[in-house]
Order: sequence, then structure tokens, then C-alpha cells
Amino acid sequence: EAGVVQSPRYKIIEKKQPVAFWCNPISGHNTLYWYLQNLGQGPELLIRYENEEAVDDSQLPKDRFSAERLKGVDSTLKIQPAELGDSAVYLCASSITGNTEAFFGQGTRLTVV
Amino acid sequence: AQSVTQLGSHVSVSEGALVLLRCNYSSSVPPYLFWYVQYPNQGLQLLLKYTTGATLVKGINGFEAEFKKSETSFHLTKPSAHMSDAAEYFCAVSDEAGNTGKLIFGQGTTLQVKP
Repeated sequence: EAGVVQSPRYKIIEKKQPVAFWCNPISGHNTLYWYLQNLGQGPELLIRYENEEAVDDSQLPKDRFSAERLKGVDSTLKIQPAELGDSAVYLCASSITGNTEAFFGQGTRLTVV
Repeated sequence: AQSVTQLGSHVSVSEGALVLLRCNYSSSVPPYLFWYVQYPNQGLQLLLKYTTGATLVKGINGFEAEFKKSETSFHLTKPSAHMSDAAEYFCAVSDEAGNTGKLIFGQGTTLQVKP
């Protein structure tokens, strides 16, 4: 069974440019999470989806970040415009429901120069 | 609000020695507690979790952790370290009662294993 797939693995962009990350969760997993991991720190939740509905986006900086999960399967996280401080690893995770184990993807490492 | 404190950002042990990684938590609801491991340039892999029931939890790769409510601790141990255990370890607590995916993570502890 394939795990959580994220792409790209690495991305380097100039500040003020837009960037998008893609996540394909494990088949059958209704809950999807996006986490932000700054260097040397633990991940922090950005947004949680139950199917196509964002049920918790209180930590998502909505002025520049957006996310979508059309059809309740794969998801895209976008930053526009990117800032130097956005350099981090963006992790996607999925679970069958909110009270079952979450499985993490390998992450996308973003570098903003 | 829930929070996690991992004591020691770096821990170094010799191969074959006991591994002890410390984690203390704060939670306003009955906690679900987790330990994850992260290898370089990889995602997080669940080592073990405590939800309810037995307070001594066994996980993968010979790791175990004990939930001590009176001490608000969930320390991770392994009797004998292997070189392959070198990685970053994260303790986490559920941010909502019964939710195992919405997690609050500690800062992480880097485990170094010396030959």
C-alpha cells in the first residue's frame, strides 16, 4: 500500500514568488493534515480536512496561505507571495478518521531566497 | 492548552547503552501521547502511542514508554541502543480529546549513537 505522497520533495524560489505543494493521502483516508516544520522544531498544524471540508484552519496564515482539497482526496497548499521566513518543511499527513493513527509523508522542503 | 516539553535537545549514548529520552506534557483533557521518529529528509514515523489502558506501552524497534500521570511524563526508553537509532525523536500530545492526528509536538531530541 502506498503511503502519503508529497511533491515536490524540494523547492527553491525567490521571495515574493508563489509556490504550491501537493499531497496525495493514503487511499481511503478521510482526514488530511498539513503541518509546518521549522528547522530544529517540531511540526505545527496548519490545517485539517475532514473529506473536503477544512474543519480546523485556525493556524493557517490566511493572508498568504491557502489550501484546498477538492473532491476530498488530494490536497494543495499554496503560498503567495512567499517570504524568507516561509523556508521550512511542509508535511502532509492522513488518517482514516480524526481518532486513528496519522501517517506522514516525506515532506516538501521549501527554501525561499 | 496542551503543550509538550522535551528535556534535552541532544542526547548522546554509546552503542549498547540505555536510551532515555524525556518528555513532559500538559493537557487539560485526558491525554493521548505519542512518540515519533524522524530520519534525515524523511517524514515522521510513529514509534508508539498511549491512549487508554496499560500505562507501559511497547512500540517498534524495541522502544517503550511509560505514561505517568502523577509526573505528567511519557519518557521513551530502549535497553540497548543501535547505530540505526540515530535520528530525531518527537513527543506529541493530542490537541483534542480522542484525536490522534491533531497533535502538539515537542521541540525534538536528536539522538546520537556512538560506536
